[in-house]
Amino acid sequence: QVQLQESGPGLVKPSETLSLTCTVSGDSISGYYWSWIRQPPGKGLEWIGYIYNSVSTNYNPSLKSRVTISVDTSKNQFSLKLTSVTAADTAVYYCARDQGYCTNTICSGWFDPWGQGTLVSVSS
Amino acid sequence: SSELTQDPAVSVALGQTVRITCRGDSLRKYYASWYQQKPRQAPVLVIYGKNNRPSGIPDRFSGSSSGNTASFTITGAQAEDEADYYCNSRDNSGNHLFGGGTKLTVL
Repeated sequence: QVQLQESGPGLVKPSETLSLTCTVSGDSISGYYWSWIRQPPGKGLEWIGYIYNSVSTNYNPSLKSRVTISVDTSKNQFSLKLTSVTAADTAVYYCARDQGYCTNTICSGWFDPWGQGTLVSVSS
Repeated sequence: SSELTQDPAVSVALGQTVRITCRGDSLRKYYASWYQQKPRQAPVLVIYGKNNRPSGIPDRFSGSSSGNTASFTITGAQAEDEADYYCNSRDNSGNHLFGGGTKLTVL
């Protein structure tokens, strides 16, 4: 059974860099897509980006200039860095395995499992 | 457009059937996946693909799709189904999209 666990500072100062790590247990991180998703307090879910096998990344266009996702296969972890944070980046940050398939006519994608989430507040 | 639209809130009487919809152009090419989120908990996948339920998800939960609309149905809603429900899909660039979420109240 795959399990994910986010870790990192719960408080970041404005203009600094938010750094989080997701540790994957129960399976190898290689060969899968892994995503970061966030949820501001009282609001909906926002996809941040994904990484695949250390070589392929895709980021939400609204965050692309500030986001980097990387993988450490030796530790079975992947990480998120978000630069120049503001109060608007205060959110619960989740990591999740990103899965999917395509047939000739249609595709399907889903996130499963998810980590429990970690609250990151941006404040001086 | 690359957006997914959900009704903000829906209510259902205990034991009745409720449908939650998600609309967006991307749904013509991608099946939606659906997530249940209870307060202070992480989202949980409940429906993916054409109409697949992960292990442990009740069979009163189902999904369907037609054109630009995906639907999530609970047949015989239970008190424990009260939660926020989110749909998810992708756009043509492979970016993930989430609907704004639907708050389900079981009366």
